[in-house]
Amino acid sequence: DAKTTQPPSMDCAEGRAANLPCNHSTISGNEYVYWYRQIHSQGPQYIIHGLKNNETNEMASLIITEDRKSSTLILPHATLRDTAVYYCTGKSGGSNYKLTFGKGTLLTVNP
Amino acid sequence: NAGVTQTPKFQVLKTGQSMTLQCAQDMNHEYMSWYRQDPGMGLRLIHYSVGAGITDQGEVPNGYNVSRSTTEDFPLRLLSAAPSQTSVYFCASTGGIGGYTFGSGTRLTVV
Repeated sequence: DAKTTQPPSMDCAEGRAANLPCNHSTISGNEYVYWYRQIHSQGPQYIIHGLKNNETNEMASLIITEDRKSSTLILPHATLRDTAVYYCTGKSGGSNYKLTFGKGTLLTVNP
Repeated sequence: NAGVTQTPKFQVLKTGQSMTLQCAQDMNHEYMSWYRQDPGMGLRLIHYSVGAGITDQGEVPNGYNVSRSTTEDFPLRLLSAAPSQTSVYFCASTGGIGGYTFGSGTRLTVV
């Protein structure tokens, strides 16, 4: 199982890039890294995932280190609405569909 | 396309009562999961299903039952509610690698 470690909180100025780190040193070769976020008490929202290569979509970019032991989620121009808890998730028990969540990082975007 | 629909949104139970939390998805997703989230905590996996007729236990299955008779529905049953089951419950589904879609949650209070 991929156990993940994230800082409990981070701050970012509005309009600046937010870089959220995640360590997943126990990840194995075929495990994807997923990022989700949860705004206030809403249901979590999928952001992005990756295996080996860096990925980009309309929400964020994902940088995965070559050894795959860590990754960074980048929000290029953070807005106040990006204030949320961000989860880097790992799989559990041999399936990419059985995801386990840690406590995540509370990102606060300040005006 | 409604996504993942959870009912009810709020529920108060007395200790010992039973109830079923409903979850339905209209995306023809094979994989569905139930999570609970306690204050200040991440999400913990209760049960999951990889297809109709197939379910398995997650991290915290005690006190809960599930069944998956159709692809669309994945109800969660509380057999005899306890105050420790006061939580927010999220249902989620995915069709494969591309990340889970979560419902908006059921806020359950057991008194």
